[in-house]
Amino acid sequence: DGGITQSPKYLFRKEGQNVTLSCEQNLNHDAMYWYRQDPGQGLRLIYYSQIVNDFQKGDIAEGYSVSREKKESFPLTVTSAQKNPTAFYLCASRALSAGELFFGEGSRLTVL
Amino acid sequence: AQRVTQPEKLLSVFKGAPVELKCNYSYSGSPELFWYVQYSRQRLQLLLRHISRESIKGFTADLNKGETSFHLKKPFAQEEDSAMYYCALSGRYDYKLSFGAGTTVTVRA
Repeated sequence: DGGITQSPKYLFRKEGQNVTLSCEQNLNHDAMYWYRQDPGQGLRLIYYSQIVNDFQKGDIAEGYSVSREKKESFPLTVTSAQKNPTAFYLCASRALSAGELFFGEGSRLTVL
Repeated sequence: AQRVTQPEKLLSVFKGAPVELKCNYSYSGSPELFWYVQYSRQRLQLLLRHISRESIKGFTADLNKGETSFHLKKPFAQEEDSAMYYCALSGRYDYKLSFGAGTTVTVRA
């Protein structure tokens, strides 16, 4: 079954802790993305990667980090420097030759 | 810098009435515009893109470069159109993809 898998679905963390959200795709897509979805603010781009071992900051990269060591994987780390980390995080991917973005089901992070 | 503006957060229409969702953008190069939709308990998915110039589920959208707009329209709304709609922008040679704040559409019987 092809698609994008995000894990975990729900995550709780204490203030001051880093947490890593997983995103895996088996669609053979080159480009991968991380968005944050907040009520009333839509989807805001955190990071994106067009190719393995390369990634670019989006509009709200501060307090986040990513890596792209494999084509199919694009994990997002929410660091303790992120001032307001409680949010719903969406991962997506697309082939370079087409415009359609395919989304995962999302991960909801709550900081206690 | 690229920017997408959806001025309406909420839109409520009666079944059978026309519906129009506004989207304005700011981009200095050649834009690619999209509409994505999120139905209740489903993943975000592509509804249509300007480059295809097709109608999906009765929806159409025309890119107006003069007004930098890409409004989404449907002449007769159906209850199953109730969802969250996002306008999105990418450069033709740039893979950064930005979204608007979204419009929640409710179609009432």
